[in-house]
Amino acid sequence: KQEVTQIPAALSVPEGENLVLNCSFTDSAIYNLQWFRQDPGKGLTSLLLIQSSQREQTSGRLNASLDKSSGRSTLYIAASQPGDSATYLCAVRDTGFQKLVFGTGTRLLVSP
Amino acid sequence: NAGVTQTPKFQVLKTGQSMTLQCAQDMNHEYMSWYRQDPGMGLRLIHYSVGAGITDQGEVPNGYNVSRSTTEDFPLRLLSAAPSQTSVYFCASSYAGITGQANFGYTFGSGTRLTVV
Repeated sequence: KQEVTQIPAALSVPEGENLVLNCSFTDSAIYNLQWFRQDPGKGLTSLLLIQSSQREQTSGRLNASLDKSSGRSTLYIAASQPGDSATYLCAVRDTGFQKLVFGTGTRLLVSP
Repeated sequence: NAGVTQTPKFQVLKTGQSMTLQCAQDMNHEYMSWYRQDPGMGLRLIHYSVGAGITDQGEVPNGYNVSRSTTEDFPLRLLSAAPSQTSVYFCASSYAGITGQANFGYTFGSGTRLTVV
């Protein structure tokens, strides 16, 4: 059974810092990995999608890497801003019925 | 292009009542799923469908029923609501895992916040 773990569970940083969120998964047989952002009381917004054959994806200040063989992904946020405050969720799409399996998220607070 | 539409956004039920949460997508996605999100538990899969007429159970299916009569719609039925079903429910859809299409991610609806008293 695929299990996804995110570390840390919560992170508080001052504005301007570069930061790294970690995601690990137990079964390397995945189609892709998706990072989401969730604001309090809101739905999920897709940030980045990394295919199983890719090593990284970039969108603006966000960079996500994938090491499928070791079961790890990182989300790098450059020059953090208070608007980045949210919960970040990692999810892997398995190769069976292609279900999405989620980690429990990292709650990020960026203070001015 | 509306994406994934969930209704209602909020609902309060009494214990024992039944109701249906609606989910519709206009992207011609084969895959549709229902998740519930609870504090400290993350998102857990309730039921999923890989195409019209095909459904299967996820991680937490008890107390819920689904059907998929069309590609667009995937309603979730609560048979007899219990306080343990108080949660936020999300519907999601995606293309099937044919080469190339599997590279598309899942799209999520905005959620239904359900309270059972």
